[in-house]
Amino acid sequence: AQSVTQPDIHITVSEGASLELRCNYSYGATPYLFWYVQSPGQGLQLLLKYFSGDTLVQGIKGFEAEFKRSQSSFNLRKPSVHWSDAAEYFCAISGGSNYKLTFGKGTLLTVNP
Amino acid sequence: GAVVSQHPSWVICKSGTSVKIECRSLDFQATTMFWYRQFPKQSLMLMATSNEGSKATYEQGVEKDKFLINHASLTLSTLTVTSAHPEDSSFYICSAPQGALYNEQFFGPGTRLTVL
Repeated sequence: AQSVTQPDIHITVSEGASLELRCNYSYGATPYLFWYVQSPGQGLQLLLKYFSGDTLVQGIKGFEAEFKRSQSSFNLRKPSVHWSDAAEYFCAISGGSNYKLTFGKGTLLTVNP
Repeated sequence: GAVVSQHPSWVICKSGTSVKIECRSLDFQATTMFWYRQFPKQSLMLMATSNEGSKATYEQGVEKDKFLINHASLTLSTLTVTSAHPEDSSFYICSAPQGALYNEQFFGPGTRLTVL
């Protein structure tokens, strides 16, 4: 069975500081990897995705993520956080032909002024 | 990018009544849609896969008779919560896959259901 682990439930950073959100997965092969962001009471917005190729992927809003096969990880990074980045972040994987997404439990990001 | 809408965005109903939630793909066709449930401060749990023209596929533990899914067209899937009870109160989100690899999913804005 596939699973996603986001070890950090809640992270607080100061505006302008760098950010790294961790994501580890368990899957029999290399899955498709995603990071989504959710603002309170809203749906999910895709930040970035990895299917194959270059293991460093760029996304929207200045985010990037690096796929490390040896560590089964897909950590999300941003060099300088903005107050508007405060939200819940979900890592997700899918694989095979059924397109189902498996989500991690999410990391809540708080940004201090 | 592809747009998915949901209606209503917020609904309050009395216990014992039924509520229908619509999920529409606005600018693409979706033969498959997914329905998720999200409890406060928790992750999304897949409830079922909605298939156009055929029966939905439910995840283990999801009551088929309580959560009726109908995918009547290539752009519309509906979730009906039958005989709703307070424990059904939750945030319901739908998604539809799109793209060349069909592995990118686009999410609706969600529907907040409160059962009194």
